[in-house]
Amino acid sequence: GENVEQHPSTLSVQEGDSAVIKCTYSDSASNYFPWYKQELGKRPQLIIDIRSNVGEKKDQRIAVTLNKTAKHFSLHITETQPEDSAVYFCAASDNQGGKLIFGQGTELSVKP
Amino acid sequence: EAGVVQSPRYKIIEKKQPVAFWCNPISGHNTLYWYLQNLGQGPELLIRYENEEAVDDSQLPKDRFSAERLKGVDSTLKIQPAELGDSAVYLCASSSVWDNEQFFGPGTRLTVL
Repeated sequence: GENVEQHPSTLSVQEGDSAVIKCTYSDSASNYFPWYKQELGKRPQLIIDIRSNVGEKKDQRIAVTLNKTAKHFSLHITETQPEDSAVYFCAASDNQGGKLIFGQGTELSVKP
Repeated sequence: EAGVVQSPRYKIIEKKQPVAFWCNPISGHNTLYWYLQNLGQGPELLIRYENEEAVDDSQLPKDRFSAERLKGVDSTLKIQPAELGDSAVYLCASSSVWDNEQFFGPGTRLTVL
């Protein structure tokens, strides 16, 4: 079955710097890759997603890149702000079943 | 539009007791998911429903866990009897046929003493 590895597990940056979180997946059939942000004690919320027919997607300060050949995808946050501090999860799905396989999470801390 | 609703938000029980969680998905979403999230980890799928049919329950520990979605809307997840290792957050999510996006509820934090 699918396996998703996420790195790093913790990331600390200064406000205004960029943050990059990387994930790899094992199943070449996976074609949907969402990223969720989860604040302490709150529900996971989708911040951006990408499908396998595109290599990059941007939404304001957030971007995701996908390399299907290498089976990895990354989240890029520019001009980080303290409110970006949270745990970020990547996930992969084969679309057919809708089942999301999540990475282990990255705790991002943005220091003012 | 209301989001995914779950209750209770918190539950504390003693081991060997039964417990039940309830989920009301977003109106019109025919797919409903139950995930288990242990502290410091990503959610793991327990069961997925398409309308009232359980189409993926391979990760559900069927000796003690059960779930139902009788009318294809609300769903209940039950544990009987609960064990110490069941302490976790139980998340419900839903999605529509038109989109992959899964919307999560606030979760139920279960503590088994």
